[in-house]
Amino acid sequence: DAGVTQSPTHLIKTRGQQVTLRCSPKSGHDTVSWYQQALGQGPQFIFQYYEEEERQRGNFPDRFSGHQFPNYSSELNVNALLLGDSALYLCASSLYRGGYEQYFGPGTRLTVT
Amino acid sequence: AQSVSQHNHHVILSEAASLELGCNYSYGGTVNLFWYVQYPGQHLQLLLKYFSGDPLVKGIKGFEAEFIKSKFSFNLRKPSVQWSDTAEYFCAVIPSGGYQKVTFGTGTKLQVIP
Repeated sequence: DAGVTQSPTHLIKTRGQQVTLRCSPKSGHDTVSWYQQALGQGPQFIFQYYEEEERQRGNFPDRFSGHQFPNYSSELNVNALLLGDSALYLCASSLYRGGYEQYFGPGTRLTVT
Repeated sequence: AQSVSQHNHHVILSEAASLELGCNYSYGGTVNLFWYVQYPGQHLQLLLKYFSGDPLVKGIKGFEAEFIKSKFSFNLRKPSVQWSDTAEYFCAVIPSGGYQKVTFGTGTKLQVIP
């Protein structure tokens, strides 16, 4: 049973560029949440997708957008990258009506230069 | 909006010492509480969770946590730590009654010295 997978593992981008990160949820899960984890900080909630719609959103600007596909996989897009966007981006999957427990992927390390 | 505070940022213990990591949250309603652990080079894993019922919950690897509603606390404990417990520990909260965003604390790095 595959857990949550994310790609790519590492990414280096230049300020102003755009980036797309991908996540495949754990088998059987229907909800995907994205988090940003800066160095020395806890994960910060970006948004959550269920039934291909954004259901909840944290305090992140519109430069951060996402998508969920019919197979429940998800993408996180960040436009006009800033140096401060450098972080570990975590994807977590869960069951929408399953009691809140989230399973995390290994993350994508984004470096903006 | 909810918030979570973890007061200990870095804890160093010798093997067999007892562990208690503090977690306090701020939210006006009912919450569900979690402790996650991140071992070096690994992804976040659920250690234990509290939804309702007995405020003392037991998790994996001998960890337990006690929910004290009057103190808005959910402290993590282990009677005797091992070197393999070296990791970063995160407390997290989510309001009950609807699927809402999870708020994490800033984490506590635990280093266990053999």
